Amino acid sequence: GAGVSQSPSNKVTEKGKDVELRCDPISGHTALYWYRQSLGQGLEFLIYFQGNSAPDKSGLPSDRFSAERTGGSVSTLTIQRTQQEDSAVYLCASSKKRNEQFFGPGTRLTVL
Amino acid sequence: GQNIDQPTEMTATEGAIVQINCTYQTSGFNGLFWYQQHAGEAPTFLSYNVLDGLEEKGRFSSFLSRSKGYSYLLLKELQMKDSASYLCAVAYSGAGSYQLTFGKGTKLSVIP
Repeated sequence: GAGVSQSPSNKVTEKGKDVELRCDPISGHTALYWYRQSLGQGLEFLIYFQGNSAPDKSGLPSDRFSAERTGGSVSTLTIQRTQQEDSAVYLCASSKKRNEQFFGPGTRLTVL
Repeated sequence: GQNIDQPTEMTATEGAIVQINCTYQTSGFNGLFWYQQHAGEAPTFLSYNVLDGLEEKGRFSSFLSRSKGYSYLLLKELQMKDSASYLCAVAYSGAGSYQLTFGKGTKLSVIP
């Protein structure tokens, strides 16, 4: 079956511009996570959605970052006024059960 | 913070056995995951431990000691394709979600 998909796979933008990253989770998975992986660093949790519950935004690094999940399926991570330190691979994961998370291929963001 | 510590790099010979260790802070522990990540690809799930002991799955085994805050991933009969980063991740309860806290990963190089 189809796995988690993300788009775009690569995004190059100029400092100060806004970007939107998209995640399509596996059908039927109620939980969706966004992580960030910077060069030489471990994956860093950003935000978590579970069904219709309020999202856990505790990992968002600043108010320039926001995310939404429409209809309990597709999610969009928005970064406003991008900075060079936002350059990283942004990974989305979805799950149906607690003891699993399936990752998408990621979006590589480069801020010039 | 909830530091997850694992070696940065390891090298092992094809056909051999390698053990990758991971230590973590035990407070709020709610399960430990191992992921494999090839360069430029998404992490793929290897194992999940929530109870003490050894879980075996083919050439890969994962061990957990909750009292010691310690886990290891054991890879047997190493193959060249096992060259990858291995990520240790811990789920902590009490955060309102099942976000994972990741170590920085262990880059394993398998040599002939």
